Amino acid sequence: DTEVTQTPKHLVMGMTNKKSLKCEQHMGHRAMYWYKQKAKKPPELMFVYSYEKLSINESVPSRFSPECPNSSLLNLHLHALQPEDSALYLCASSQDDYGVGNEQFFGPGTRLTVL
Amino acid sequence: AQKITQTQPGMFVQEKEAVTLDCTYDTSDPSYGLFWYKQPSSGEMIFLIYQGSYDQQNATEGRYSLNFQKARKSANLVISASQLGDSAMYFCAMRVGSNFGNEKLTFGTGTRLTIIP
Repeated sequence: DTEVTQTPKHLVMGMTNKKSLKCEQHMGHRAMYWYKQKAKKPPELMFVYSYEKLSINESVPSRFSPECPNSSLLNLHLHALQPEDSALYLCASSQDDYGVGNEQFFGPGTRLTVL
Repeated sequence: AQKITQTQPGMFVQEKEAVTLDCTYDTSDPSYGLFWYKQPSSGEMIFLIYQGSYDQQNATEGRYSLNFQKARKSANLVISASQLGDSAMYFCAMRVGSNFGNEKLTFGTGTRLTIIP
């Protein structure tokens, strides 16, 4: 299984809502990533989990809260988002967070719209 | 700091022709990896090909090959016999080596490739 799955595919939420994005992989990878991608731009790294511990937080606002319950799952909890947070949110995983050759496998993404 | 430059915002290529997507990079670290990803309009980033800085030969994966010119710091993607399904955004990316982990993947701005029937 070389797949990273993400749910939901699309999400529309108001600025006062609380929602969560879910990411799952069964490749035995020990590094997982959240990226944010605006239209016509490259992905921007948000968070990295390495061996289920948060290793990188790219100064992301606290209205985004990541969680890694186990080595296969990665969640992104959303609360009090702003319209400018509307974007494609991509999850990725790699064997681990070391070495130059660790390709990241991406999920299909969640298209988030904040009203 | 690492930097990836893709100078072609968009390209139009006739079906069945070969296409070269340009990518130049900048790093002072001798150990690094270069990646190409394809992103169709559906959004998923699809890994295409990888080249390590110490690899002696250019990487190839099916119709994809990487023209790695280390002295020029370029890592161009070559797609042979282009197909309509190749129409997508293509990103070049780099990761610098570290024994401590936490090295980020740096992406270029991407090239939008359109294959014309």
